[in-house]
Amino acid sequence: EAQVTQNPRYLITVTGKKLTVTCSQNMNHEYMSWYRQDPGLGLRQIYYSMNVEVTDKGDVPEGYKVSRKEKRNFPLILESPSPNQTSLYFCASSFGSYNEQFFGPGTRLTVL
Amino acid sequence: DQQVKQNSPSLSVQEGRISILNCDYTNSMFDYFLWYKKYPAEGPTFLISISSIKDKNEDGRFTVFLNKSAKHLSLHIVPSQPGDSAVYFCAAEGPGANNLFFGTGTRLTVIP
Repeated sequence: EAQVTQNPRYLITVTGKKLTVTCSQNMNHEYMSWYRQDPGLGLRQIYYSMNVEVTDKGDVPEGYKVSRKEKRNFPLILESPSPNQTSLYFCASSFGSYNEQFFGPGTRLTVL
Repeated sequence: DQQVKQNSPSLSVQEGRISILNCDYTNSMFDYFLWYKKYPAEGPTFLISISSIKDKNEDGRFTVFLNKSAKHLSLHIVPSQPGDSAVYFCAAEGPGANNLFFGTGTRLTVIP
């Protein structure tokens, strides 16, 4: 089944404790991205990757890192999480621009 | 600054009637528009798209209309069904841009 998977689905952590949210897709998509969804703000893009070893900032990259060492994986790293990073996070993938993006099920992160 | 706007946070419609969801954008360079539907605890799923060379695209009960001069698009669902109850996001992208800009979403409730 074609899908985007994210882990964990739910995470509660404390300020400053490094964490990684994994994202994997099995559709051989070149393009992957991370979004956060906040009430009243919709979905905002954090980082995206056009292909392996090619990443770039989206609209709200501060406080986040990503890597793209393999085509299928695109982890989101929070080196020192803060409470304002409490949000619902979505990973997505597609064949590229002007193509529909397939979204993962989301990761709800709470930073205390 | 929000480049894609959905000014109605919510909409309620009787089953069988038409649902009209609206979206406005500010960037005249956007040339591809998409609608996504999102159920609770799931990631957004692609619904329908339209290129700026068209003013209408239809897929079953769903039709998207684009008015480039007004920088406005709308999604029509007819007839509306209870299973259409979800949050609908409008999104846009433009040439040379590798990111997708989302609106804040409209929660549609279809009343049986």
